[in-house]
Amino acid sequence: NAGVTQTPKFQVLKTGQSMTLQCAQDMNHNSMYWYRQDPGMGLRLIYYSASEGTTDKGEVPNGYNVSRLNKREFSLRLESAAPSQTSVYFCASSPTRNQPQHFGDGTRLSIL
Amino acid sequence: DQQVKQNSPSLSVQEGRISILNCDYTNSMFDYFLWYKKYPAEGPTFLISISSIKDKNEDGRFTVFLNKSAKHLSLHIVPSQPGDSAVYFCAAPATYRGSQGNLIFGKGTKLSVKP
Repeated sequence: NAGVTQTPKFQVLKTGQSMTLQCAQDMNHNSMYWYRQDPGMGLRLIYYSASEGTTDKGEVPNGYNVSRLNKREFSLRLESAAPSQTSVYFCASSPTRNQPQHFGDGTRLSIL
Repeated sequence: DQQVKQNSPSLSVQEGRISILNCDYTNSMFDYFLWYKKYPAEGPTFLISISSIKDKNEDGRFTVFLNKSAKHLSLHIVPSQPGDSAVYFCAAPATYRGSQGNLIFGKGTKLSVKP
């Protein structure tokens, strides 16, 4: 049971580089999410996709873009990485928006 | 204002004793609360939830209590085991227009259960 799969697990970027974080779920869930977690902070929502074909901003969307490629896949793109985007990024999915979310194991991103 | 607050960054408990993790919230319109557990280098995993129409929900060693008048909920783990050592997050679905269902997370409490 793969659940939610994120790639890569680790990445180091230089300031100004671009990067796409990949996320795929095999649970036939409608809703998908991207979060970031910083030390001493809870998870903060970057973007979400309530259903295939829709995306919306969350709490901290600046500097990011997303694509809901199909029902399974939801990618997060950093167009011009900044040190403030150093974080652990989690992708999650849920059957619908008001149900418990299932998380991937995260991507640890460092921007120098 | 829609906030979920976990005011204790850490908690240390002896194996076999009770662990009590606390969570406060600001919005009386929250109708559902969740607890997640997170081990290092892994994603959070759903643990237990409670609807606002209940004041208690139990699942094995885990019980969540909800006190709506105090806007407070707590997670009890009895008996605590070393494998319970993790960070626990409290969360609630947002209720404001356009964001309904998006989870608002507390900052987490790191539980250490000592053998």
